[in-house]
Amino acid sequence: NAGVTQTPKFQVLKTGQSMTLQCAQDMNHNSMYWYRQDPGMGLRLIYYSASEGTTDKGEVPNGYNVSRLNKREFSLRLESAAPSQTSVYFCASSEAGVVSEAFFGQGTRLTVV
Amino acid sequence: SQKIEQNSEALNIQEGKTATLTCNYTNYSPAYLQWYRQDPGRGPVFLLLIRENEKEKRKERLKVTFDTTLKQSLFHITASQPADSATYLCALDLSGGSYIPTFGRGTSLIVHP
Repeated sequence: NAGVTQTPKFQVLKTGQSMTLQCAQDMNHNSMYWYRQDPGMGLRLIYYSASEGTTDKGEVPNGYNVSRLNKREFSLRLESAAPSQTSVYFCASSEAGVVSEAFFGQGTRLTVV
Repeated sequence: SQKIEQNSEALNIQEGKTATLTCNYTNYSPAYLQWYRQDPGRGPVFLLLIRENEKEKRKERLKVTFDTTLKQSLFHITASQPADSATYLCALDLSGGSYIPTFGRGTSLIVHP
């Protein structure tokens, strides 16, 4: 099984550009998450989706939008990138409604110049 | 506010010794706590989960304790090896039952041969 797949792995954007980070999981999980990880800040939740068709804000949602396209896919969009959004982005998934582990993708390293 | 604290200083130990990492939390009573391992350039990987009614959990050379009175979890790696060098993250569900993991900042463990 591939688990959680994120694309791209690396990206450089200019300030003001837009882009979408893609995430897909093949574990039939209902819950999916987007986190960002910055040095000294740990993983912070941007958005999450408890099921297809639902999304909710996490700790740091400003500047981002998400789409739960179907059960497998959960995308994160930066409409107008800012240098403060330079970070490593992780997508994760887990079973919904029960205590369970989260499975993470390999991350997307995004630099906004 | 809810807070998860892990020692930000790296823990350096000699191969063969027991590594002990600490996770403290405040202002919450989680039903469970998780530990993850993260290697450089990769996403976190789940290691162990311990529930509030469990004092201790073991898996091979790993042991986790959970003291809900002290609001603390200890993560032990016995007979440590250089391959155990990584960052270790604890995670709690602070969402009030939505099973959304909130992560501590992690502690880096360096095992010297």
